[in-house]
Amino acid sequence: EAGVAQSPRYKIIEKRQSVAFWCNPISGHATLYWYQQILGQGPKLLIQFQNNGVVDDSQLPKDRFSAERLKGVDSTLKIQPAKLEDSAVYLCASSFRVAGPKETQYFGPGTRLLVL
Amino acid sequence: AQSVAQPEDQVNVAEGNPLTVKCTYSVSGNPYLFWYVQYPNRGLQFLLKYITGDNLVKGSYGFEAEFNKSQTSFHLKKPSALVSDSALYFCAVTRRGEAAGNKLTFGGGTRVLVKP
Repeated sequence: EAGVAQSPRYKIIEKRQSVAFWCNPISGHATLYWYQQILGQGPKLLIQFQNNGVVDDSQLPKDRFSAERLKGVDSTLKIQPAKLEDSAVYLCASSFRVAGPKETQYFGPGTRLLVL
Repeated sequence: AQSVAQPEDQVNVAEGNPLTVKCTYSVSGNPYLFWYVQYPNRGLQFLLKYITGDNLVKGSYGFEAEFNKSQTSFHLKKPSALVSDSALYFCAVTRRGEAAGNKLTFGGGTRVLVKP
């Protein structure tokens, strides 16, 4: 079974530029998550989708971050404009069923973003 | 609010010796608890989870964890560590009965170094 795919793996941009990350979840997984992992910290949930609807985006900085999951499969996370403090690894995860606390989340390899 | 504490930034152990990685949590109500491992430049890999039932949970790669409700702990253990177990370990919690979503809260991580 193929895992969660993410691209690009690495991205370097200058502050105030925009950037987009792509995620393809495990086939058949209804729920998709985006996390931000700052160096030396644990991942922090940014947004959670169930199919193509948003379940939780309470920690997403909506003035600069946006995400979509058209057709309930792939997802894109965008930052516009980027700030220095956005330098982090952006992890995508998916889980099988409709969102529930017991469900195991499976993570992709992440996209490492450096903002200069 | 829910939180996870991993009191040790790093754990050093000799190969063949027992390995313990500590985790305590705070959550209103009953928890679901998870352990993930992260290798360099890789996403998080699921190790094990506690949902209900037996307090001793067995997971991948010979790891196990013991849920202790009175001490609000979920320590990860392995009887005999391998050099290949050297990685970053994350404990995470979510609340049972969460009405919507599966909001995992992660600890800050513990780096494990197993020396030959």
